Amino acid sequence: QVQLVQSGAEVKKPGASVKVSCKASGYTFTSYDINWVRQATGQGLEWMGWMNPNSGNTGYAQKFQGRVTMTRNTSISTAYMELSSLRSEDTAVYYCARGYRYYYDSSGYYYLFDYWGQGTLVTVSS
Amino acid sequence: DIQMTQSPSSLSASVGDRVTITCRASQGISNYLAWYQQKPGKVPKLLIYAASTLQSGVPSRFSGSGSGTDFTLTISSLQPEDVATYYCQKYNSAPFTFGPGTKVDIK
Repeated sequence: QVQLVQSGAEVKKPGASVKVSCKASGYTFTSYDINWVRQATGQGLEWMGWMNPNSGNTGYAQKFQGRVTMTRNTSISTAYMELSSLRSEDTAVYYCARGYRYYYDSSGYYYLFDYWGQGTLVTVSS
Repeated sequence: DIQMTQSPSSLSASVGDRVTITCRASQGISNYLAWYQQKPGKVPKLLIYAASTLQSGVPSRFSGSGSGTDFTLTISSLQPEDVATYYCQKYNSAPFTFGPGTKVDIK
C-alpha cells in the first residue's frame, strides 16, 4: 500500500534551517510528484511547492522562493524539504503529499494530492 | 496568482441537514478544482476532484458542482463523522492554492 512516512518533530532557533524527509513506499517513487503543504496551528493549508522526483524539477510558491529547497534521493525513495532563515511564523506542521497527474484527454488532466504523510511539527523558538 | 475564497468560514448544522459550502476562484479555472476534508487532528483527505468526481470510497452523500469561478460542495445529509474542515484547491496550474477552509460541526 502507498505510504509516505515523514521524519520526526524538530525544534529550531530563529535563523536556523530545517530539513524534513518524506520516505515513499508502495509505488514507483519517480512516477509521481511530491508536494509540500504546511499548516500552522489552527490555520489552513498552505501549499509550498512541488518536485518531480524523476527529473528533480521543482516549483515553489512565491512566498517561499529563496528560502525553500526541495530535493530527493531516488535510491531510497525519499524526498526532502529544507526551509532556511526560520522565523517564529514558520512554526507549523509540514506535510508531504503525492501529486498524481492523470491526463484523461489531449488537454484535460487531474492533479490530485491522493496520499499524504503523517506530518512533521516544526517549532521555531528561541 | 489566482486567489481562492470559501464561504461560510464555519457552520453548525443538525444531523441529517443538507450542508452547502461555496468556493470561489478569482479567475476561471474550468473544472480544475478539488475538495479535501480534514478531521480534527488528522491528515487531509481527498474527497472530490474535477469539481464533481467523487474519490473512491467517499460516501455518496458528498457531491460537488461548478465550473469556471464558482463551485459548491454539498453534504446531502450531515452525519456526525462529517465534522471536519473542508478545503477547496485549484490545480489548473501552480501555485496549487487552497481556500481558507470551512469548519463544519454539529449543532
